[in-house]
Amino acid sequence: DIVMTQSPDSLAVSLGERATINCKCSQSVLYSSNSKNYLAWYQQKAGQPPRLLIYWASTRESGVPDRFSGSGSGTDFTLTISSLQAEDVAIYYCQQYYRHSSKTFGQGTKVEIK
Amino acid sequence: EVQLLESGGGLVRRGGSLRLSCAASGFIFSTYAMSWVRQAPGKGLEWVSGISGAGGAIYYADSVKGRFIISRDTSTNTLYLEMYSLRAEDTAVYYCSREGGYGDSYHFDYWGQGTMVTVSS
Repeated sequence: DIVMTQSPDSLAVSLGERATINCKCSQSVLYSSNSKNYLAWYQQKAGQPPRLLIYWASTRESGVPDRFSGSGSGTDFTLTISSLQAEDVAIYYCQQYYRHSSKTFGQGTKVEIK
Repeated sequence: EVQLLESGGGLVRRGGSLRLSCAASGFIFSTYAMSWVRQAPGKGLEWVSGISGAGGAIYYADSVKGRFIISRDTSTNTLYLEMYSLRAEDTAVYYCSREGGYGDSYHFDYWGQGTMVTVSS
């Protein structure tokens, strides 16, 4: 299985400040034949199912505010919230879908307001 | 509007069995691969099992292989997860999710609200 490791486990950011979450894959999730990174980011608020934010590492899902952005390639990826809002308090997960047979998630990063 | 509605969760004794259902609507069910993802209380997300649109390709996490069976019925637009030999560590909210495309491996673009499974010892 591809192991996904997120850092940090939690972070507290002031309203309006930048939040950065990292995700490292134990092997590359870049598929050379189409140059796509099989990496997604999800947001999960308390008591709710996950919500897709970013796919193909950097494509924002429809309806997701543009303060959310994804970057990276190969094994190292980043989710950035450019200006944290109160409604962004949640746990964020990265996920690889490079392998049909095992679509693993990171352990999650909890984002709070400082 | 895409909707996924899980049902079938509940309290079951260790070693028992349960069948979860996920009723899908708002899209051509047979076109999309589907997965089950679970979340133990206070823990992160764990992918459990996936099935291709036509049902010909099926995958399981090692933690459930040999105990869980995923299937789909395109006539009723329903996804299933049969769970056997349940263990305490299977206690979780089980989510049904849709993959965001076909013909390749995709992210999960829609999720149900989840159904809780509690395995008592």
